[in-house]
Amino acid sequence: QSVLTQPPSVSAAPGQKVTVSCSGSTSNIGNNYVSWYQQVPGTAPKLLIYESNRRPSGIPDRFSGSKSATSATLAITGLQTGDEADYYCGTWDDSLSVVVFGAGTKLTVL
Amino acid sequence: QVLLQESGPGLVKPSGTLSLTCTVSGDSVTSGHWWSWIRQSPGTNLEWIGDIYRGGNTNYNPSLRNRLSMSMDESKNQFSLELTSVTAADTALYYCARVMGVVGQFDYWGQGTLVTVSS
Repeated sequence: QSVLTQPPSVSAAPGQKVTVSCSGSTSNIGNNYVSWYQQVPGTAPKLLIYESNRRPSGIPDRFSGSKSATSATLAITGLQTGDEADYYCGTWDDSLSVVVFGAGTKLTVL
Repeated sequence: QVLLQESGPGLVKPSGTLSLTCTVSGDSVTSGHWWSWIRQSPGTNLEWIGDIYRGGNTNYNPSLRNRLSMSMDESKNQFSLELTSVTAADTALYYCARVMGVVGQFDYWGQGTLVTVSS
């Protein structure tokens, strides 16, 4: 069971908006930055969001991140079929002294 | 463009030692970044293994610490992983990655290498 809780799946139609939640605790999300990754099956994870709400160069502004207390959210607007992938959140856990990841959320673009 | 490439045996016997190397191009392993190993068991979650920094400073996952060793070869621009006493539970896709800024953020990843523990 993951320290960070994500919904197993989300779905939405092309052009719509979807959000992926990541719930943790004060020892991880509550006290540290959150990063988000996109993983297309058969490929390595790709960094989408770092420091909870910043995008690396080359990541479209359709992807955004936010954090409030012990939860974080990834939002994707203007959904495209190419966005179908698994999405993972990650952060440091002060109590466990380990980087923790959510179990991943599978995005389906209907 | 920063590229990372994992290499090593794809099959390790139970109780043996898993050894992997990550070769970095487009950056130096002594550039001031931490460098990481992360694994992903088939169909399951990502698991952070540990980080290494120039000079040999390391930060290991406590659950693996007593079996784990990481090292760096600056002359070859590589860093390596050794995991001893492996079992089937260590079968996974192993990734090397570069840490971006604070711990737990990985901006460049290798393509991953599958290691199977089996006799």
